[in-house]
Amino acid sequence: NAGVTQTPKFRILKIGQSMTLQCTQDMNHNYMYWYRQDPGMGLKLIYYSVGAGITDKGEVPNGYNVSRSTTEDFPLRLELAAPSQTSVYFCASSPSGTSVAEELFFGEGSRLTVL
Amino acid sequence: GNSVTQMEGPVTLSEEAFLTINCTYTATGYPSLFWYVQYPGEGLQLLLKATKADDKGSNKGFEATYRKETTSFHLEKGSVQVSDSAVYFCALSGGTSYGKLTFGQGTILTVHP
Repeated sequence: NAGVTQTPKFRILKIGQSMTLQCTQDMNHNYMYWYRQDPGMGLKLIYYSVGAGITDKGEVPNGYNVSRSTTEDFPLRLELAAPSQTSVYFCASSPSGTSVAEELFFGEGSRLTVL
Repeated sequence: GNSVTQMEGPVTLSEEAFLTINCTYTATGYPSLFWYVQYPGEGLQLLLKATKADDKGSNKGFEATYRKETTSFHLEKGSVQVSDSAVYFCALSGGTSYGKLTFGQGTILTVHP
């Protein structure tokens, strides 16, 4: 019963470095999402995907890229890390995305610090 | 646009105390409302939800009622336990924004024995 798995759990980056946060789900969900959470703030949607090969921007996409080559995987890439990207990142998935009341299933989060 | 406002935290209670965490929202149309909980070291998980006005969501002794007239979805529990210590997020999903939830800032709850 793995659910949504994110790696790494913690990472420290230097300004200008690049990295990829990995996200895998084993529930055969169509929809996947990346959120970020800053201290004292709610989660903000970065990107989402409605299925393999289809991605779209959320509320705060600048500085990030995503891809969805398979149903299971939805990696988030930071190309040129900046201190403003210091945050906790959550990956989530949902079965079909066809209901406004559909439950999202979250990973445990990845804490990223950019120095 | 949509927004969710939660009461400021952190909230500290003794075991068996009554809990209320306030949540108000702004949205167009008729959103669905959710409470998610994040236990230490874990991801967020759905606690309860309500999809229309006057609906009551309930789970694990927690309740919240969808109040359209006051645009609120306050979380309550009659007797908290130490194991309820967690971060609680109010969220809404509206219109065609399937899965694209709008979250409140989260409220940290600590329950002491």
